[in-house]
Amino acid sequence: DGGITQSPKYLFRKEGQNVTLSCEQNLNHDAMYWYRQDPGQGLRLIYYSQIVNDFQKGDIAEGYSVSREKKESFPLTVTSAQKNPTAFYLCASYGQGNTGELFFGEGSRLTVL
Amino acid sequence: EDKVVQSPLSLVVHEGDTVTLNCSYEVTNFRSLLWYKQEKKAPTFLFMLTSSGIEKKSGRLSSILDKKELFSILNITATQTGDSAVYLCATPHSGNTPLVFGKGTRLSVIA
Repeated sequence: DGGITQSPKYLFRKEGQNVTLSCEQNLNHDAMYWYRQDPGQGLRLIYYSQIVNDFQKGDIAEGYSVSREKKESFPLTVTSAQKNPTAFYLCASYGQGNTGELFFGEGSRLTVL
Repeated sequence: EDKVVQSPLSLVVHEGDTVTLNCSYEVTNFRSLLWYKQEKKAPTFLFMLTSSGIEKKSGRLSSILDKKELFSILNITATQTGDSAVYLCATPHSGNTPLVFGKGTRLSVIA
């Protein structure tokens, strides 16, 4: 079945460590997105990519990095520069044939100890 | 700056009640407004609205858009405990695809 797969679902890390969250889609979508969700904050855009080898910063990009070497994959690295990384991270994709909605992965919950 | 404001932020109702969730938006080049339901993990798509005054309906859920007042509502009739979730409203950023989300309304339906 087509969809978006995020891994890991749960992740713990110590302060000062970088961590990479995986996002893979087999929907043949051009555009992919990373959102962060904190309690009571809704979803905030971190980075997005509308085509392979190109990506743009969202509203809260500081302390994060991404790459888009393949259409199917859009990994997010949470670096040690991110001051408050504990959050729920959602990856999404969008295709030209859609009626407008984003398709979301199941999310990755990162806890920094 | 594009923004979406939802109200109330949380709501507790009894089974069988009818609820109305509100969403106001400000965006330079409006294209659409979307509603999602988020239970535990991934948000699931409910409705996309592009035209004023045309109600979209799915079972006990319905939604309508007012482009003049920059407002949308999501109605849920005869609520059930399974309706308990965070309901998110979103609209595409001006001239671009990424969605800007409101903070969500947390609905709790108690038996």
